[in-house]
Amino acid sequence: GAVVSQHPSRVICKSGTSVKIECRSLDFQATTMFWYRQFPKQSLMLMATSNEGSKATYEQGVEKDKFLINHASLTLSTLTVTSAHPEDSSFYICSAGGRGGREQFFGPGTRLTVL
Amino acid sequence: GESVGLHLPTLSVQEGDNSIINCAYSNSASDYFIWYKQESGKGPQFIIDIRSNMDKRQGQRVTVLLNKTVKHLSLQIAATQPGDSAVYFCAENTGGSRLTFGEGTQLTVNP
Repeated sequence: GAVVSQHPSRVICKSGTSVKIECRSLDFQATTMFWYRQFPKQSLMLMATSNEGSKATYEQGVEKDKFLINHASLTLSTLTVTSAHPEDSSFYICSAGGRGGREQFFGPGTRLTVL
Repeated sequence: GESVGLHLPTLSVQEGDNSIINCAYSNSASDYFIWYKQESGKGPQFIIDIRSNMDKRQGQRVTVLLNKTVKHLSLQIAATQPGDSAVYFCAENTGGSRLTFGEGTQLTVNP
């Protein structure tokens, strides 16, 4: 149980385009989903927290107009990187919580490369 | 605040040896801790957790020790195997489900 999927697993795009990443909890209803960003050989940095049906809460320094988060249902959250630039290239990981415990269940991550 | 590291501490062990990975956490109000394993190119995988009312918890080949006095957490892996090679992160929680991650340790197991 507690399986979280992400799609796509890898994406390469041109500078200026927008990219949407989907995060799904496959076997439980996730009241809360989290989006992280991870640079090579660094830790996970929380970008935002999203609760189903409400606006996401962004961490300090994260531009909400650049990283659009939608948590439309209890099993799906999306992160859209708008007008992506090479500095947005990173590993984006989502996680889902709310199964009653305090742990988070992580997706496999999405490698974004912006040319 | 969030933990940001410029490089990962490393630990290299021989196959069959025991490994000890350490983590210092920052928030004395944290009352729940988790160790995650992250293999290259993958998302973090839950290993073991511990609540602040405990000092020690054991799983299969893994033991987590918590010292609240000095805000220190450790993960012990018994009989380390090549498949244990990965980056290990501790994470702390102060309530709700928001986690703050430590900087991580790269474990390399030599055959």
